[in-house]
Amino acid sequence: DQQVKQNSPSLSVQEGRISILNCDYTNSMFDYFLWYKKYPAEGPTFLISISSIKDKNEDGRFTVFLNKSAKHLSLHIVPSQPGDSAVYFCAARLYNFNKFYFGSGTKLNVKP
Amino acid sequence: ETGVTQSPTHLIKTRGQQVTLRCSSQSGHNTVSWYQQALGQGPQFIFQYYREEENGRGNFPPRFSGLQFPNYSSELNVNALELDDSALYLCASSLGTGELFFGEGSRLTVL
Repeated sequence: DQQVKQNSPSLSVQEGRISILNCDYTNSMFDYFLWYKKYPAEGPTFLISISSIKDKNEDGRFTVFLNKSAKHLSLHIVPSQPGDSAVYFCAARLYNFNKFYFGSGTKLNVKP
Repeated sequence: ETGVTQSPTHLIKTRGQQVTLRCSSQSGHNTVSWYQQALGQGPQFIFQYYREEENGRGNFPPRFSGLQFPNYSSELNVNALELDDSALYLCASSLGTGELFFGEGSRLTVL
């Protein structure tokens, strides 16, 4: 049972434009959401997170939006850079546990 | 501050064999989690250790077992390897219930 879904396996964006990566979840007991970036031959690297009590969190070029009623979160990267090309995973933590559920990832390609 | 390190980085085993993967947690982190990432999928939670005790387990059979040592390093053991066990095994450390910090992973191929 896939509780966290990333329905777009890939996304291609021109350098300087906005990249929007989407993630849907089904479990209303998730209380903390994160985005990870993964380059080939490396482990996932933490990018940005948001608590379920917020609807937006911003860190430089990266902004995460959370819509609890729709059980949807998104990651916006503005402006996109070629170095942002990687696989992005969204993850959700089950309330009061440290167990994280991951989506299947979206491969972002930022074209120069 | 040292990050999470895993060994070995790559290994090849045959069906039925046993494997041990090792992980050193990031300095100061007392919790270690193990994840399996199959090709084209996201990481899946295997189990977590906190203060040398298993503190949560995902949907993996008992032939997946682990240990955490007093210095918070950890091992993942898989017995009776099956072809479907071929995957990237990721170790992540954290401080309590905070975000996970991952190692580079151990890529296991079962022939």
